[in-house]
Amino acid sequence: EAGVVQSPRYKIIEKKQPVAFWCNPISGHNTLYWYLQNLGQGPELLIRYENEEAVDDSQLPKDRFSAERLKGVDSTLKIQPAELGDSAVYLCASSKGTSGVYNEQFFGPGTRLTVL
Amino acid sequence: GEDVEQSLFLSVREGDSSVINCTYTDSSSTYLYWYKQEPGAGLQLLTYIFSNMDMKQDQRLTVLLNKKDKHLSLRIADTQTGDSAIYFCAESKGTGANNLFFGTGTRLTVIP
Repeated sequence: EAGVVQSPRYKIIEKKQPVAFWCNPISGHNTLYWYLQNLGQGPELLIRYENEEAVDDSQLPKDRFSAERLKGVDSTLKIQPAELGDSAVYLCASSKGTSGVYNEQFFGPGTRLTVL
Repeated sequence: GEDVEQSLFLSVREGDSSVINCTYTDSSSTYLYWYKQEPGAGLQLLTYIFSNMDMKQDQRLTVLLNKKDKHLSLRIADTQTGDSAIYFCAESKGTGANNLFFGTGTRLTVIP
């Protein structure tokens, strides 16, 4: 079974440019998460989807960040415009998401963004 | 709010035991986790413990939970060079799909 797939793995852009990251979760996983991991830190949740619905986007900086999961499968996270401080690793994770039972989150390898 | 703390670095000799410690502040945490992150890779779940347990053992890994002191530890027996990585402690509340709150990570270096 394929794991969580993310692309690109690396992205270098100049500040003020837009950038998009793509994530394909494990087949059958209803819940999808985007995390931000700054250098030397643990991941922090940006947004959580249950199917197509963003159920927790309280930590997403909505002035420049947006995300979508139109068909409840793969997802795109966008930054426009990017700032120097956005340089980080963006991790995607998925879980089966069934309420009432334990649900392990499976992480993708991440996209390392460098903003120059 | 959630606050998870870990020491940043740990070095051990190959064959020795490693103990990585974590403290958390949220007493309503339901699950506590240990993740491993190798360079350029995503996070891999090593083990987890439910908050009503005080110990869990899985092969070379032993997790101890002191709920009164809000202290979690991960012991790796017979540490190998392949265990060199960053280890993250994390917590969540409830069952189902829940947000994880991570510590800053402990970089374990295994000296041959």
